Amino acid sequence: GNSVTQMEGPVTLSEEAFLTINCTYTATGYPSLFWYVQYPGEGLQLLLKATKADDKGSNKGFEATYRKETTSFHLEKGSVQVSDSAVYFCALSDRLGANNLFFGTGTRLTVIP
Amino acid sequence: GAGVSQSPSNKVTEKGKDVELRCDPISGHTALYWYRQSLGQGLEFLIYFQGNSAPDKSGLPSDRFSAERTGGSVSTLTIQRTQQEDSAVYLCASSLLAGAIQETQYFGPGTRLLVL
Repeated sequence: GNSVTQMEGPVTLSEEAFLTINCTYTATGYPSLFWYVQYPGEGLQLLLKATKADDKGSNKGFEATYRKETTSFHLEKGSVQVSDSAVYFCALSDRLGANNLFFGTGTRLTVIP
Repeated sequence: GAGVSQSPSNKVTEKGKDVELRCDPISGHTALYWYRQSLGQGLEFLIYFQGNSAPDKSGLPSDRFSAERTGGSVSTLTIQRTQQEDSAVYLCASSLLAGAIQETQYFGPGTRLLVL
């Protein structure tokens, strides 16, 4: 079946620190992979995505590379800001049929000045 | 509209009452999804619509939950005889279907349901 395992939080970093949030997946086919972000008081927003192996998704300084050999899609950012404080969700979809998303448990990031 | 909208934003109800949650997807999006976000279960898939039909109802947690979609647009999620464990944020998402491939899902702000 399909599932996502995500690094548990919470994560607290100082401004300008390097961020990594680990995500690994199990899938029966060739899924698309996503990172969604939920800022305080707001809804889920797509942060970045990758649809095939070795693709790199990037947005707002965040990056994640689809690694089929390690079944991973780790989220990274070189220098976090206070405004990056949010909950980050790794997710996959199998693209065909219902294409519903399977989510990780979420990682809460707090960036302190 | 510009994005997915949901109403009400918050709903407090008494145990045993029925509730209806509404979702307006992005105009032109043929696929619509309902998810539930709760403390104990994280984010879980409930049901998927393609047009007005629901080929996948596998995520509905019990027969107290039902959903419909009319005119290929607005969807209503109904919970009958609510229980305290139904308390959660109910999220709606929509996407385009391009051939056999579903495109990225865009989420609404959610309805926060509290069952007392």
